[in-house]
Amino acid sequence: EVHLAESGGDLLQPGRSLRLSCVASGFKFGDYAMSWVRQGPGKGLEWVASISWNSAAIFYADSVKGRFTISRDNAKNSLFLQMTGLRAEDTAFYYCTKISGSAVGAAFIDSWGQGTLVTVSS
Amino acid sequence: EIVLTQSPVFYSVPPKERVTITCRASQNIGITLHWYQQKPGQSPKLLISYASQSFSGVPSRFSGSGSGTDFTLTIDNLGVEDAATYYCHQSSIFPHTFGQGTKVEI
Repeated sequence: EVHLAESGGDLLQPGRSLRLSCVASGFKFGDYAMSWVRQGPGKGLEWVASISWNSAAIFYADSVKGRFTISRDNAKNSLFLQMTGLRAEDTAFYYCTKISGSAVGAAFIDSWGQGTLVTVSS
Repeated sequence: EIVLTQSPVFYSVPPKERVTITCRASQNIGITLHWYQQKPGQSPKLLISYASQSFSGVPSRFSGSGSGTDFTLTIDNLGVEDAATYYCHQSSIFPHTFGQGTKVEI
């Protein structure tokens, strides 16, 4: 069974940095693309970033481009999201998600973690 | 950016009824449209991929159809356990986008 466990969420002030982690199990992590999706309190889903199986293809939402960096360590079955220059509008649950294939394009999310909460407030 | 517009935004329906949720894309996305269910306090779960392919373990009362710009999610014989918010999602072009969600109340 696929299991995605996020960690690293915190309460912090605007402008600070934070690194989210996701440890995957139940599947061969290195064979699949991964994404981060976020959801503000009481709001809808927003795609944040995707990374292919070998990190060769990476895409970001315009709202986080230049501030967030997605990365992965296949040897440690781990996905990361480095967030800098955090803003109040980045406040959300951040979900680690597994993509249905190795590439990031034209594929769907087939598994979601439980999410980790990032709150940005002064 | 491809905008996905769901309708209705809110649905109040008695049990055993049929529910139809539509998702309209701002441009042609073929069949790269997927549907998710999110119950309160839970993370989303995949229902339908590529417009009409039911995901493993999803009850047969959930079905999807459409292509191009117009898509539908149909829930037959609605049960109380189907109370949730439903989202469509396109993976045709980056940035990937989601619809605003349809809340189904039973």
